[in-house]
Amino acid sequence: EVQLVESGGGLVQPGGSLRLSCAASGFTFSNFWMTWVRQAPGKGLEWVANIKEDGSEEYYVDSVKGRVTISRDNAKNSLFLQMSSLRTDDTAVYFCARDRGGSYYEDWGQGTLVTVAS
Amino acid sequence: DIVVTQSPDSLAVSLGERATINCKSSQNILYSAINKNCLAWYQQKPGQPPKLLIYWASIRESGVPDRFSGSGSGTDFTLTIDSLQAEDVAVYYCQHYYGTPPYSFAQGTKLEIK
Repeated sequence: EVQLVESGGGLVQPGGSLRLSCAASGFTFSNFWMTWVRQAPGKGLEWVANIKEDGSEEYYVDSVKGRVTISRDNAKNSLFLQMSSLRTDDTAVYFCARDRGGSYYEDWGQGTLVTVAS
Repeated sequence: DIVVTQSPDSLAVSLGERATINCKSSQNILYSAINKNCLAWYQQKPGQPPKLLIYWASIRESGVPDRFSGSGSGTDFTLTIDSLQAEDVAVYYCQHYYGTPPYSFAQGTKLEIK
């Protein structure tokens, strides 16, 4: 059974940093693109970033470019999202998702809540 | 970047009736090499992550009831739910995955029972 478990969320002040993790199990992690999607409270889904199977390609939505870095450790079956210079509009539940062929998302974690507030 | 937009924002349909949600892309998202449209549909219920319903615009994910269907090509797409059931109350999102990311989601459609 595929499992994706996010962690690392919490309350952080504006301008602060946070590192999210996603622990993957039940599949060969190194064979799949992975993606972060976020959802602000009461709002819709926003695609944030994705990373190729071997980590050689990364893509970001414009609103996080320069502030967020996606990475992975295939030896530890883990996906990461390093966030810095956080703003109040970064407040959201952050989901990790397993891509099918670097396209749509067949499996999702339950999400981790990031709250940026003073 | 490609923008996808859904209509309506909310929809109320009687049990047993048909629900139709539309999705429009700002660009043609037909991947001509394989003649498939790069569009997926998701269902999200409160407190849960999204669930994949449809991919390549019209292929139903394994385990999804056959009352859910997707159609369309190019820039205009539709999710149809035949014979609406109470458990179909949710927010529905379309998402494109054409070309280079970002692969944006539309704003969502909230489906309720009339």
